[in-house]
Amino acid sequence: GQQVMQIPQYQHVQEGEDFTTYCNSSTTLSNIQWYKQRPGGHPVFLIQLVKSGEVKKQKRLTFQFGEAKKNSSLHITATQTTDVGTYFCAGQKAAGNKLTFGGGTRVLVKP
Amino acid sequence: DTEVTQTPKHLVMGMTNKKSLKCEQHMGHRAMYWYKQKAKKPPELMFVYSYEKLSINESVPSRFSPECPNSSLLNLHLHALQPEDSALYLCASSPTGSGEKLFFGSGTQLSVL
Repeated sequence: GQQVMQIPQYQHVQEGEDFTTYCNSSTTLSNIQWYKQRPGGHPVFLIQLVKSGEVKKQKRLTFQFGEAKKNSSLHITATQTTDVGTYFCAGQKAAGNKLTFGGGTRVLVKP
Repeated sequence: DTEVTQTPKHLVMGMTNKKSLKCEQHMGHRAMYWYKQKAKKPPELMFVYSYEKLSINESVPSRFSPECPNSSLLNLHLHALQPEDSALYLCASSPTGSGEKLFFGSGTQLSVL
């Protein structure tokens, strides 16, 4: 079955530094979504990428979809304490198919 | 209104109890979902309703029984659960179920004793 892997599993970041989390799928995806879950909270949608090689930015967050549509990355610049949480990627093989979540990257920020 | 509302927020039940989780959305979405999330794990899909019909059942044990009374409501009936069923149960909705973003509720934290 489809598998979505995320690395790293944990990311300890000094406030103000940058980091990147990576998402890899075992199959080609029609789209990939990113969600953020704060501690004690629920997943909140961040972005959806559909096109091969697509890059989207949201303030300090940059999302990229690979050319082969099998991998994606989230890069955060100048990390803040508000960035704490777990970032999940979720891939879909085709519209209407189930969304498969990666294992998540748990981000802790050191002030 | 862009909210998905889940009740109760917390639930403790014994293994012989019957209880129900409720989910409601008023965004006009036609796809609704139940996910199960264990601590430090990703959400795992359980069921999908599309246009009030069950479209995906991820081989969930029959002690979990979903129900979609209308396009705004989604229930999850629980009976004879096991302690390993303790988890956060998340409801979500999306406009049509065709690859759009999911709107999650805040979840029901379930403990089975």
